[in-house]
Amino acid sequence: DTEVTQTPKHLVMGMTNKKSLKCEQHMGHRAMYWYKQKAKKPPELMFVYSYEKLSINESVPSRFSPECPNSSLLNLHLHALQPEDSALYLCASSQDPGVGANVLTFGAGSRLTVL
Amino acid sequence: GQNIDQPTEMTATEGAIVQINCTYQTSGFNGLFWYQQHAGEAPTFLSYNVLDGLEEKGRFSSFLSRSKGYSYLLLKELQMKDSASYLCAVMDSNYQLIWGAGTKLIIKP
Repeated sequence: DTEVTQTPKHLVMGMTNKKSLKCEQHMGHRAMYWYKQKAKKPPELMFVYSYEKLSINESVPSRFSPECPNSSLLNLHLHALQPEDSALYLCASSQDPGVGANVLTFGAGSRLTVL
Repeated sequence: GQNIDQPTEMTATEGAIVQINCTYQTSGFNGLFWYQQHAGEAPTFLSYNVLDGLEEKGRFSSFLSRSKGYSYLLLKELQMKDSASYLCAVMDSNYQLIWGAGTKLIIKP
């Protein structure tokens, strides 16, 4: 299995809703990432989990809450989002976050629309 | 600050060759990556360079000059399916990826 699976593919939510994005990989990768991507922009790093511990939080607002239940799963819990949070949310994984040749494998993304 | 520059958009003809340039200024260097991203899809890994020189992989090649802070991605025998954005990213001294804004490549018949 060489894939990163993300669900749901599309999500529409209101500003008062609580929802979650899910990500799964079975490649034995030790690092997992959440990125946010707006149209025609590069991916923006949000969070990094390394060996199931949160290692990087790029000053993301608390309305985004990551969770790593185990080495294969990564969730992003969403609450009280704003319309400007509408974007493509990409999950990625990599074998070893501490080496140069740290190739990221991305999931297909969850396209989020906040009304 | 850290900066990666690449052209916003390029146009090329099917069957031709195109070179997409990337220049960078980062805090340290632990390698340079090229990713391809089709519209609405996830980025996919194309190449990794850490030493100077040319890496060839089928129709795609990537070149690096560390002293000049410069890389290029060379695409040969262009096909319509190569229409995509090409993202240059540098891993800095903290093993963080710094992304360029991407180059949108348009292939015309």
